[in-house]
Amino acid sequence: GDSVTQMEGPVTLSEEAFLTINCTYTATGYPSLFWYVQYPGEGLQLLLKATKADDKGSNKGFEATYRKETTSFHLEKGSVQVSDSAVYFCALTLTTNAGKSTFGDGTTLTVKP
Amino acid sequence: DVKVTQSSRYLVKRTGEKVFLECVQDMDHENMFWYRQDPGLGLRLIYFSYDVKMKEKGDIPEGYSVSREKKERFSLILESASTNQTSMYLCASSSGLAGGSTDTQYFGPGTRLTVL
Repeated sequence: GDSVTQMEGPVTLSEEAFLTINCTYTATGYPSLFWYVQYPGEGLQLLLKATKADDKGSNKGFEATYRKETTSFHLEKGSVQVSDSAVYFCALTLTTNAGKSTFGDGTTLTVKP
Repeated sequence: DVKVTQSSRYLVKRTGEKVFLECVQDMDHENMFWYRQDPGLGLRLIYFSYDVKMKEKGDIPEGYSVSREKKERFSLILESASTNQTSMYLCASSSGLAGGSTDTQYFGPGTRLTVL
């Protein structure tokens, strides 16, 4: 079946460090790919998305590129801030799945001043 | 802005009680979802609804039922709560247009349920 594998956490970085959170997927078909973020005490919210191969999603300094050849959608940010501390979820959705998403297990990021 | 609200942020119930979790969205979305979130297990889909009175089982429906009598409201029901249902419950909605594959899901803040 469809699945999403994320880099295991937790990840701890110093402020202004470079961030990469790896995400790879397995899907029968051509999914749309998403990164959601969950700040402490809140629900998930969309961070960015890409709907076809080679698309780059970007938001708040975060970027991810849809790589069909490596079935990956790695999240990157050049300089993290303390306020980026959160749990990050990679997800995919397929047209054949009526809008249901498959989520990764989440990666907890802590940024220290 | 899309708003998804859940009836309670925190709930404490006793084993065997019937529990209702309510979710309301204000964007006329077709799709609504109930997930549970547990440490190390990510988000797991309990039930999904793609229209009023239409529902579909997710990955872990056992011990749960749902109701969608109006488009904006999706209820999760624990018929007889058990301690292994202690968890964070998240409701979400999405527009459901064009097959839904590019839809963003909008989440509520979650209900942390403890069953004693």
